[in-house]
Amino acid sequence: AQSVTQLDSQVPVFEEAPVELRCNYSSSVSVYLFWYVQYPNQGLQLLLKYLSGSTLVKGINGFEAEFNKSQTSFHLRKPSVHISDTAEYFCAVSDGGSSTLGRLYFGRGTQLTVWP
Amino acid sequence: EAGVVQSPRYKIIEKKQPVAFWCNPISGHNTLYWYLQNLGQGPELLIRYENEEAVDDSQLPKDRFSAERLKGVDSTLKIQPAELGDSAVYLCASSPGTSGRREQFFGPGTRLTVL
Repeated sequence: AQSVTQLDSQVPVFEEAPVELRCNYSSSVSVYLFWYVQYPNQGLQLLLKYLSGSTLVKGINGFEAEFNKSQTSFHLRKPSVHISDTAEYFCAVSDGGSSTLGRLYFGRGTQLTVWP
Repeated sequence: EAGVVQSPRYKIIEKKQPVAFWCNPISGHNTLYWYLQNLGQGPELLIRYENEEAVDDSQLPKDRFSAERLKGVDSTLKIQPAELGDSAVYLCASSPGTSGRREQFFGPGTRLTVL
């Protein structure tokens, strides 16, 4: 089974500043990587995903993430945040094991709070 | 296109009472998931359906939890009897296939409070 570590439970940042939300996962075997965002009282929405190919992945709302296989990391970045980016962000990993095919393993989440 | 629909959105019950949650996935999605999200945690899979077959239920506490997806569309998750520790958000998700490459689409969840 996979485990996902989100190193920061809370990240406060001022509007228009850059931000990085960190994510590490446990296994270096072939995996698929996802970042989801959850606004209050809503379900999770996909921001971006890495399946294969280029290690730099661009998603919605100006977010991007970089897959680093050697460091088993998939950090999320945005060069300039807005107040509307305030939300909980979850990193998730899916592996190809036959018994757990399609199962997503989530980190504990990082609460991003953007201050004016 | 309608998203994943869940009801009720909120439920408050007393311990030892039964409770049921309903999920309607996105049309055409044959894979359906139920997740449990405790406060301050990420979602954890309870059960996954391929059409009407439960293909991954190893995480479902079968002594009190049950689920069904009789016609391969809607699904119901039941807890009987509920315990204080079951207070959480129950999320339903669906995807067009099982592959780990597939995006899962989540509903808004049902927030359960057990008193």
